[in-house]
Amino acid sequence: DAGVTQSPTHLIKTRGQQVTLRCSPKSGHDTVSWYQQALGQGPQFIFQYYEEEERQRGNFPDRFSGHQFPNYSSELNVNALLLGDSALYLCASSLPGLRSYEQYFGPGTRLTVT
Amino acid sequence: KQEVTQIPAALSVPEGENLVLNCSFTDSAIYNLQWFRQDPGKGLTSLLLIQSSQREQTSGRLNASLDKSSGRSTLYIAASQPGDSATYLCAVEGGSTLGRLYFGRGTQLTVWP
Repeated sequence: DAGVTQSPTHLIKTRGQQVTLRCSPKSGHDTVSWYQQALGQGPQFIFQYYEEEERQRGNFPDRFSGHQFPNYSSELNVNALLLGDSALYLCASSLPGLRSYEQYFGPGTRLTVT
Repeated sequence: KQEVTQIPAALSVPEGENLVLNCSFTDSAIYNLQWFRQDPGKGLTSLLLIQSSQREQTSGRLNASLDKSSGRSTLYIAASQPGDSATYLCAVEGGSTLGRLYFGRGTQLTVWP
């Protein structure tokens, strides 16, 4: 049973560019959340998708957007990249529904903005 | 707004010691608390999940306790080993934001032989 997978593993972009990160949830999970982890910090919640809709959002600008597909996989898009967007981007998935469940994390995508 | 604090920020101990990592949170209206392990540059591995109605959870050499009313959790690691070296993160899910985790900055643990 594959866990949460993310692609790509590493990415280098230039300021002002746009980037798309991808996540496939653990089998049987339908809720996907995205987190940003800057070096030396704990992960910060970006947003969560459930039933192909953004269910809740953290304190991130509109440059950060996402999408969830019918197969529950998800994308995170960041426009107009800033140096401060350099971080490890983590995807987490959990069991179906609106209850509180254990969240499982993927290996992350390391984004470097130069 | 929920804030999570972890103490100490770093810990370096010889192999075999029993360890206690501390986590505190400001809003006691939580659904659950999760402890994670993170190796350098890697994703998060879930260690233990404690639901708000529970007081503790155990897995092997790990034991986590939760005192919701005082906003505290501890992770106890028995007989530490060099392979336990990693950053340990505490996260709470709660308040009005079901599904959203609030993380501390972690405790960086080094266990030397």
